[in-house]
Amino acid sequence: SQQGEEDPQALSIQEGENATMNCSYKTSINNLQWYRQNSGRGLVHLILIRSNEREKHSGRLRVTLDTSKKSSSLLITASRAADTASYFCATDAYFSGGYNKLIFGAGTRLAVHP
Amino acid sequence: GAGVSQSPSNKVTEKGKDVELRCDPISGHTALYWYRQRLGQGLEFLIYFQGNSAPDKSGLPSDRFSAERTGESVSTLTIQRTQQEDSAVYLCASSLGRGGNTEAFFGQGTRLTVV
Repeated sequence: SQQGEEDPQALSIQEGENATMNCSYKTSINNLQWYRQNSGRGLVHLILIRSNEREKHSGRLRVTLDTSKKSSSLLITASRAADTASYFCATDAYFSGGYNKLIFGAGTRLAVHP
Repeated sequence: GAGVSQSPSNKVTEKGKDVELRCDPISGHTALYWYRQRLGQGLEFLIYFQGNSAPDKSGLPSDRFSAERTGESVSTLTIQRTQQEDSAVYLCASSLGRGGNTEAFFGQGTRLTVV
């Protein structure tokens, strides 16, 4: 089963509005990452937040992490039509045997209308 | 190369045939992942390599699926006796895999269609 659960599954907004996507997970993590996917092919890394960080910014992106609630949110401000894509959270967690593994959630499909 | 390369980009095969999918990771990346993504779905973890060993094969759906990695570089995912349910995009990713630098870089995927 997947580690992360995103909500909403789909989000439709107008250009200029903010988009907020949430991610919940189940186990302790090393870090949490957000990725973007266009057209069902390769994913592009957006931002990484470590377990000891609470908030991180990158351009129009703002990510928060609440390890007590095992949840994260991705905020895209002043959205553009070009932001239309699927967004995935991925948790990097330690596993017995001394390795890390990246587990992805089901994703949020964002549509930004001009 | 500059990024993760996967081949072929698209593969159409007949049910029952074997297929081999290839992934060339970024040079120096010790960690390599294979994921499967069905249409409109999330990424399903298949297998993880650290170097040439696979500490986690838990995601392989059945014994028809196998993967190997050689020279801490190229990896191949083999699906034997393909079934229509195997149709999906197979994504490969690599990362440095150490020191918390675990950002993953993805290839463009192989779209497998079993007819």
